[in-house]
Amino acid sequence: EIVLTQSPATLSLSPGERATLSCRASQSVSSYLAWYQQKPGQAPRLLIYDASNRATGIPARFSGSGSGTDFTLTISSLEPEDFAVYYCQQRSNWPPRWTFGQGTKVEIK
Amino acid sequence: QLQLQESGPGLVKPSETLSLTCTVSGGSISSSSYYWGWIRQPPGKGLEWIGSIYYSGSTYYNPSLKSRVTISVDTSKNQFSLKLSSVTAADTAVYYCAGPGEFLDYWGQGTLVTVSS
Repeated sequence: EIVLTQSPATLSLSPGERATLSCRASQSVSSYLAWYQQKPGQAPRLLIYDASNRATGIPARFSGSGSGTDFTLTISSLEPEDFAVYYCQQRSNWPPRWTFGQGTKVEIK
Repeated sequence: QLQLQESGPGLVKPSETLSLTCTVSGGSISSSSYYWGWIRQPPGKGLEWIGSIYYSGSTYYNPSLKSRVTISVDTSKNQFSLKLSSVTAADTAVYYCAGPGEFLDYWGQGTLVTVSS
């Protein structure tokens, strides 16, 4: 079973700063990794899929990188609406199983 | 654009069976290569995958819940459903349906299910 470990648990930053979030897999997931944003009281929203592809309508300040076991979500310049919890997710090939990281909260400093 | 909507009781008694339905609109639930899944989130905690059903009807479950979970699909109603048996307070969570692929582009708004007598 693949385990996804996100770090840090909480990131305290100011608007305009750069955010760098990490997701590490316990074994290689190739590039089959996604990132989601969740705001209080809302469902998660897909931001990045296949490690580096932005989902439809996602602003260019969000970018993803990595492959194998180490992945990064970068928010180049934080907007007020970006303060939220971010989750990474992968789906194993066989049997199909979806796994989420434990989340990183990006909070206003 | 796909839309998903969960429905079902918001309160379930301990030891009983939780039953939820997800209605899909804006597309066919039986479209090729689609996976439809259930994810839950206990209050203040992270996301947990419960299980998924493939368009062909094959099901895949989280091993930690497998003995209590059944996911089924009703293509005539464009719906898929979740049943979780023998619930306890630990099953209290917001339950989401989502799909349609290995990455979850579309989510329902979520429904809070509380397990309490």
